[in-house]
Amino acid sequence: AQSVAQPEDQVNVAEGNPLTVKCTYSVSGNPYLFWYVQYPNRGLQFLLKYITGDNLVKGSYGFEAEFNKSQTSFHLKKPSALVSDSALYFCAVGGGDKIIFGKGTRLHILP
Amino acid sequence: NAGVTQTPKFQVLKTGQSMTLQCAQDMNHEYMSWYRQDPGMGLRLIHYSVGAGITDQGEVPNGYNVSRSTTEDFPLRLLSAAPSQTSVYFCASSGRGQGGYTFGSGTRLTVV
Repeated sequence: AQSVAQPEDQVNVAEGNPLTVKCTYSVSGNPYLFWYVQYPNRGLQFLLKYITGDNLVKGSYGFEAEFNKSQTSFHLKKPSALVSDSALYFCAVGGGDKIIFGKGTRLHILP
Repeated sequence: NAGVTQTPKFQVLKTGQSMTLQCAQDMNHEYMSWYRQDPGMGLRLIHYSVGAGITDQGEVPNGYNVSRSTTEDFPLRLLSAAPSQTSVYFCASSGRGQGGYTFGSGTRLTVV
């Protein structure tokens, strides 16, 4: 069975500082990994995905994620946080036909 | 191009009532899924489909039925609503090999 864990319910970062939102996964075989963002009262928006290739994946809004097979991690990163990045972030794992989500991490960017 | 359309956006049901949440996509996607979102629980997969006529259970299928008679539509049925089914429901679709899902805007369901 595939699963994903987001160990932090909430992350607080000062505006302009780098941010990291953590994600670890468990899956047999090669994983498809995703990050989604949800703004208040909205659906989920796709940020980025890793299927194969370069371990550093670049996505929307300046976000990137690093795939680490040995640590089974797929942490989301951004070099300089914006207040507008405040939202709920979900890590997900899947094989294309279905995707399993983590519980989400609420990111607060402090002005 | 409307993407994934969910109706209704809001619904209040009484315990024991039945209803169908509608989901339609116009991107000719093979894969479609239903999720529910509850505070502190993230998104949990209810049912999913890999094509017309094919459905399978996800993480929390009890109390819900689905069918996929066409590529475009994937309705979710609650046969006898319970307060535990109060949640926000999201439908999503993906093309084969695309690797990522497009989500609808959600249906907020309250069962009293």
